[in-house]
Amino acid sequence: GAVVSQHPSRVICKSGTSVKIECRSLDFQATTMFWYRQFPKQSLMLMATSNEGSKATYEQGVEKDKFLINHASLTLSTLTVTSAHPEDSSFYICSAQGTDTQYFGPGTRLTVL
Amino acid sequence: DQQVKQNSPSLSVQEGRISILNCDYTNSMFDYFLWYKKYPAEGPTFLISISSIKDKNEDGRFTVFLNKSAKHLSLHIVPSQPGDSAVYFCAASWSGSARQLTFGSGTQLTVLP
Repeated sequence: GAVVSQHPSRVICKSGTSVKIECRSLDFQATTMFWYRQFPKQSLMLMATSNEGSKATYEQGVEKDKFLINHASLTLSTLTVTSAHPEDSSFYICSAQGTDTQYFGPGTRLTVL
Repeated sequence: DQQVKQNSPSLSVQEGRISILNCDYTNSMFDYFLWYKKYPAEGPTFLISISSIKDKNEDGRFTVFLNKSAKHLSLHIVPSQPGDSAVYFCAASWSGSARQLTFGSGTQLTVLP
């Protein structure tokens, strides 16, 4: 099956610093990747749609200047949380679009102190 | 407005019996439906999908049924195993939305030994 990796799996940072999360599709090319955030005991919340070679499309309420997304190749998308604050602590999950199915990465636990 | 609903937050089933997880949707534009399994602190794992042109799709112990007139789909797991214990999300998409997924709120399945 299709494999999507995320790195790092866990990161702890100080308030005010920036954190970059990588999402890679390992065995297929993905024109479109998605970034989600999951709050405790809640479903996945779509943050943005990342298209290779073009600007990401952000969902309503998601600050594009805070959550920078770059999709530089057909196998890599990155999410940078800029000037992180404790309220940004969450579980971030990416997915890569296959033919009809999205395949998800294992997630990144971000803790901002 | 929840376009995809999973009305049962939890379900307990005895090992070896059938697990039936239900999902309802309201958007008639949806033409592709997926089920994902998720463990805590991990990304969702794709299980099975169904196109709106079908009413049943089977893969091993997993069968998904789609009733378009009722806007209802269900996932059957037979026989249920303790390792199936997880949160199950149904999701829907349509071609006009770049295959963005709309998720239900999830059902926690517990398979009792």
